[in-house]
Amino acid sequence: AQSVAQPEDQVNVAEGNPLTVKCTYSVSGNPYLFWYVQYPNRGLQFLLKYITGDNLVKGSYGFEAEFNKSQTSFHLKKPSALVSDSALYFCAVRDMRDSNYQLIWGAGTKLIIKP
Amino acid sequence: DADVTQTPRNRITKTGKRIMLECSQTKGHDRMYWYRQDPGLGLRLIYYSFDVKDINKGEISDGYSVSRQAQAKFSLSLESAIPNQTALYFCATSERQNSRPKADTQYFGPGTRLTVL
Repeated sequence: AQSVAQPEDQVNVAEGNPLTVKCTYSVSGNPYLFWYVQYPNRGLQFLLKYITGDNLVKGSYGFEAEFNKSQTSFHLKKPSALVSDSALYFCAVRDMRDSNYQLIWGAGTKLIIKP
Repeated sequence: DADVTQTPRNRITKTGKRIMLECSQTKGHDRMYWYRQDPGLGLRLIYYSFDVKDINKGEISDGYSVSRQAQAKFSLSLESAIPNQTALYFCATSERQNSRPKADTQYFGPGTRLTVL
């Protein structure tokens, strides 16, 4: 069965420090992987996705994520955190062979950036 | 995303009432989705539609129904609301990918916060 795990409910980072939000996945075939961000009282916004090719994917707002097939991970990273990055972050996966194109979502990680 | 709108934004209702949540999009996308979000559970798919004549059940469709009135409109109904349907509901859209890879990005509305007393 397909699944996504975001092992940390909350991540606290000081402004200016690098941040990492972790995501691991399980699919039968090859994965498509996504990161979304949710700001308070807003819908989810697409950040980036991995389809194929370069394992390092760059996205919006200076975020990037690294696909690691051997570790089945797709961690979200940013070199220098901003207070405005504080939000709820969701990882999602789809099995490339899934003809229904359904995304499986992680439970979300709350990112808090302290000034 | 202003291209995907949901009404109402907030609704409080009582057990047993019929509720309809509406979603409209101006993105011209074929595909539309309804999710619910509960704290600690992430998003769970309720129903999805790949075009006006195509409706599919998602992971948690029991107690819900949908109507795809047009390409741009997708409504979610709770025929007889119950307290455990209290949640944040999101509509999303995506564009059909005619060529590989078929990894369509979903675009979300602002959500409807529903409380069932």
